[in-house]
Order: sequence, then C-alpha cells, then structure tokens
Amino acid sequence: GAVVSQHPSRVICKSGTSVKIECRSLDFQATTMFWYRQFPKQSLMLMATSNEGSKATYEQGVEKDKFLINHASLTLSTLTVTSAHPEDSSFYICSAIDRQSAETQYFGPGTRLLVL
Amino acid sequence: AQSVAQPEDQVNVAEGNPLTVKCTYSVSGNPYLFWYVQYPNRGLQFLLKYITGDNLVKGSYGFEAEFNKSQTSFHLKKPSALVSDSALYFCAVRDLGAGSYQLTFGKGTKLSVIP
Repeated sequence: GAVVSQHPSRVICKSGTSVKIECRSLDFQATTMFWYRQFPKQSLMLMATSNEGSKATYEQGVEKDKFLINHASLTLSTLTVTSAHPEDSSFYICSAIDRQSAETQYFGPGTRLLVL
Repeated sequence: AQSVAQPEDQVNVAEGNPLTVKCTYSVSGNPYLFWYVQYPNRGLQFLLKYITGDNLVKGSYGFEAEFNKSQTSFHLKKPSALVSDSALYFCAVRDLGAGSYQLTFGKGTKLSVIP
C-alpha cells in the first residue's frame, strides 16, 4: 500500500519550453501533496504544498508563475515548469499524505529534468 | 522553527557489523520523527517513524531507531549491515504544534557498507 507514482521518470527539453510532471497516489486518497526539488548530493528542498481543490502554498523564493501546481483530484497533482531554463534542471520529487492516516509522507520515485 | 541535524556526511561500516546513523532534532512541540532511505536516482522510501509510545521503533529491512527525548535524538540502527543497505539516509521531523504536515529534513548521511 501507499504507493506514489511520478511521470515521466526523466525528461529532456529545450530551453523555453514547458514541462508537466504528474504525481499520483495509486492506492490511497491524498489530501495533501508536496513538491520537492533535490540538487546533487543535497537534501530535499520543499517547493510547495498542494491541497486538493485549493491553491498551492509556495515556499519563500519559489516562483509560483514559473512552477505551476494543480491538484485537481484526491489522487493527482501536477507540476508544470514553464519556460524552462537550464538552471531548472534538477530532480523533482513529490510526496503525498494519506487522508486516512495523515502521519506519513510517501514519496514518488522522482523526475529527472534536463533543460538544454 | 524545527530543525534536524545529521552530523555525519558519510558512515562506513563493514558488512555484518552493526551500523548507526545519527540524528538529532529541535522542535517547539512534540515531534513526529521519520527515517527515509534514498537509492541513486530514486525517490525516498519510508523506513520507520516515531509518533508516540515505545521509544524503540522497528521498521523495514531490519532497521530500528530509538527515540531519546532528553537527548533529542532519533538514531537509526541495524544489528548487521548488508552491502545492499548502502544508500543515502534522511532523518525528518514534523512538529505537532506547528499545525502543518510539512517535514523538515536533515542533510542526509551516505552509508557505505563494505564487503
């Protein structure tokens, strides 16, 4: 149980294009999902908190117009990196909290984004 | 504000020996404490958590951790290390008093188990 998937697992795009990353909770309903960014050999940096049916809450320094988050259902949140630039290249990880047992965050496998 | 410290960037241990990965935390209220493991180019896998109750928590793959309130520590342990345990380990804390589900992560400790 408590499986979170992400798609795609890796993506290469040209500078200036937009990329959408999906995060799904496969066997539970997630009231809250989180989006993290991880730089090489570093810890996770929380980007935003996504609540189903409401606007995402962004951490300080994260551009909400650049990183669009949509949490349209209890099992799906999407992160769209708009007008991507090489500095957006990173490993993006989502996590979800089971509404039945809101104690543990379960993480997706991550998405490797490379912007050329 | 809550914080987590993992004082060791890297821990090396011989296969079959016991291992310890250290973690200390700081919260204003009562803590929820977690350990996650990350293999290369993968997301985080949940290992174990402390919410309340018994201070010794047992988790996946033979790992356990002991909550020590007086020392504000939550060290991860395993009696006999396997080469397959080699990975990056993250300790995380959630402050119950903060009214948020957000986790604060330590910087991670790379565990290398030597055959």
